[in-house]
Amino acid sequence: AQKVTQAQTEISVVEKEDVTLDCVYETRDTTYYLFWYKQPPSGELVFLIRRNSFDEQNEISGRYSWNFQKSTSSFNFTITASQVVDSAVYFCALRNRGSTLGRLYFGRGTQLTVWP
Amino acid sequence: NAGVTQTPKFQVLKTGQSMTLQCAQDMNHNSMYWYRQDPGMGLRLIYYSASEGTTDKGEVPNGYNVSRLNKREFSLRLESAAPSQTSVYFCASSESRASYNSPLHFGNGTRLTVT
Repeated sequence: AQKVTQAQTEISVVEKEDVTLDCVYETRDTTYYLFWYKQPPSGELVFLIRRNSFDEQNEISGRYSWNFQKSTSSFNFTITASQVVDSAVYFCALRNRGSTLGRLYFGRGTQLTVWP
Repeated sequence: NAGVTQTPKFQVLKTGQSMTLQCAQDMNHNSMYWYRQDPGMGLRLIYYSASEGTTDKGEVPNGYNVSRLNKREFSLRLESAAPSQTSVYFCASSESRASYNSPLHFGNGTRLTVT
């Protein structure tokens, strides 16, 4: 079975704080892909990053960084020095190599609010 | 480059009415999807189309029908709307199903209310 769990429903921080959004996944496939999406208040879904199961290198993009650990089935997302514009719902998603639909399994999302 | 375009952006229906949500993509993608988003539920797949002329049911297909009119367009139809179908609907597209690392590109969503 495939499943993505984002245990943090809501997180509130003050601007300039660092914040980590957790994502834990379950899959029996050895080849899979993980994604993060951002949904700002305007409602659109914006693709942030993808990672395949064979690449455990962490990635940094500006203030964003991602920590992929197969040993704990986690793909966590950290925002450094958060800004008000980071306020959004963030979704983690999983796609299996063997998925007949090619579908993404989404977590329920984490609402991040950054206060000025 | 518009990406994925959905119409309408907002819609209010009465129970029992029908409507079609339109979606078009200009990225020459083979795969297209319809998801619904409900509070606290994340996104759930309604229907999927791997290519023109093919469609498959997703997680929550009941009460919906789809048409893959051509490579660009994938419409979602509610034949007899119910209050349980009040939701935000997203259309998405991606490269061929074989490209499992290709992300989904989403439209801006349609907010549907059924009274």
